[in-house]
Amino acid sequence: GENVEQHPSTLSVQEGDSAVIKCTYSDSASNYFPWYKQELGKGPQLIIDIRSNVGEKKDQRIAVTLNKTAKHFSLHITETQPEDSAVYFCAERPGGGYQKVTFGTGTKLQVIP
Amino acid sequence: GAVVSQHPSWVICKSGTSVKIECRSLDFQATTMFWYRQFPKQSLMLMATSNEGSKATYEQGVEKDKFLINHASLTLSTLTVTSAHPEDSSFYICSASRPFSGANVLTFGAGSRLTVL
Repeated sequence: GENVEQHPSTLSVQEGDSAVIKCTYSDSASNYFPWYKQELGKGPQLIIDIRSNVGEKKDQRIAVTLNKTAKHFSLHITETQPEDSAVYFCAERPGGGYQKVTFGTGTKLQVIP
Repeated sequence: GAVVSQHPSWVICKSGTSVKIECRSLDFQATTMFWYRQFPKQSLMLMATSNEGSKATYEQGVEKDKFLINHASLTLSTLTVTSAHPEDSSFYICSASRPFSGANVLTFGAGSRLTVL
C-alpha cells in the first residue's frame, strides 16, 4: 500500500530563518502532492500543492519541490514568522482519478521569535 | 473559497451512547467526502470514504457497524459513533472533494473532538 515518510518530526528555527521538511513516497503512480498546515485544535489547511508534471512551485514564502525519480518532495518556508508555527503534513495521492490521499506523519514546526 | 463546516466542534458523552457528527460543504457540492480520525500528536488516518447516494467504503480495521456514515445529499455527510467507549475519544475530521484546476482538491473541516467518559 501507499507509504509516506516525513522528516523531521520536530523542527525549531529562529524567526527569519528557513525551514525545510522532506517527504518520501513509495507509489510510483502518485501524481498529486499537497501540503497541509494544522494549527492546534483545528483541521488541516491546504497551503500548497504540486502535480507530478511540475518540478517546483512557489507561492510567496512557501515553495515545494518534487523529484519523481527519487520519489521525494520537500516543503520550503523562507523568512519564517512565529505564525508559521504549526504541524505540517505532506500527502500524496495516486493517479487515475482516485481521490484518497495518504498523509505523512507530520512535522511540528516551532518558529522562535 | 470552498468551506467545509463540521458540527459539533466538541462533544462529551457517556459511555454507551451514540454521537452524530455532521460535515457540510457550504458553497460547493461534494459527491465524495472523507472521514479521518486523529489521535494526539499523530497523523490523520482515513476511516472511510463517503459517497453520495451509496454506501460508504471503509478502510481496513474500521468497524462499519460502529462508525455509521450517511451521505444523503451532495452537501452533507454524517458520522455516527454508536455505543461509544472511552477508546473512541479522538479528533474526527471530515474533508470534501471538489474539482479545482482540473484536479480534485480536498477541503477539510475544523474537526470534532469527541470525549467519551
